[in-house]
Amino acid sequence: DAGITQSPRHKVTETGTPVTLRCHQTENHRYMYWYRQDPGHGLRLIHYSYGVKDTDKGEVSDGYSVSRSKTEDFLLTLESATSSQTSVYFCAISPTGTEAFFGQGTRLTVV
Amino acid sequence: DQQVKQNSPSLSVQEGRISILNCDYTNSMFDYFLWYKKYPAEGPTFLISISSIKDKNEDGRFTVFLNKSAKHLSLHIVPSQPGDSAVYFCAASADSGGSNYKLTFGKGTLLTVNP
Repeated sequence: DAGITQSPRHKVTETGTPVTLRCHQTENHRYMYWYRQDPGHGLRLIHYSYGVKDTDKGEVSDGYSVSRSKTEDFLLTLESATSSQTSVYFCAISPTGTEAFFGQGTRLTVV
Repeated sequence: DQQVKQNSPSLSVQEGRISILNCDYTNSMFDYFLWYKKYPAEGPTFLISISSIKDKNEDGRFTVFLNKSAKHLSLHIVPSQPGDSAVYFCAASADSGGSNYKLTFGKGTLLTVNP
């Protein structure tokens, strides 16, 4: 398995509360990605990072922010969670921006 | 605007036969294509890839074909096995500027291989 860990694996939170998901890698890969998976939508890119402090938006970035202060950690923050953000979130890492390795996912439920 | 399209939500195949999964893309800047397999409650796992300078790549039972003029790629699985039953995602990579690459995925195709 690629050295990638997502935490927490499951979370239930209330509407309007902030939530932070963590992705930790031990591979020293340059690229890190956050995706969400929803029925009928496949995997949609939220944000990605191509280096420490270098991030960019994906196709569904509204309501999300990210930070990468160290190579190994990529944090995804929902500033004020909404029910539409109930989803399964996947972190992925890549050395080159092509072949990517995924974590096990975080199931987030916003009630 | 969906840049990577998998128009078949599902496919059912008999064990031992060929499975063909299709993918179309619209962004001519894509230069690397990948297929991922995903089982329930697990993260996607990389299966096979192809560079835009090639038209075929083979790895065991899995072959990916790329037709750049048609902006189409396909994944062939021969022979199909029940353990191949999973959701298959097509993905494409492009330089988003400054040599920073991002992966764009299709919606996936659920493959069911019947014994």
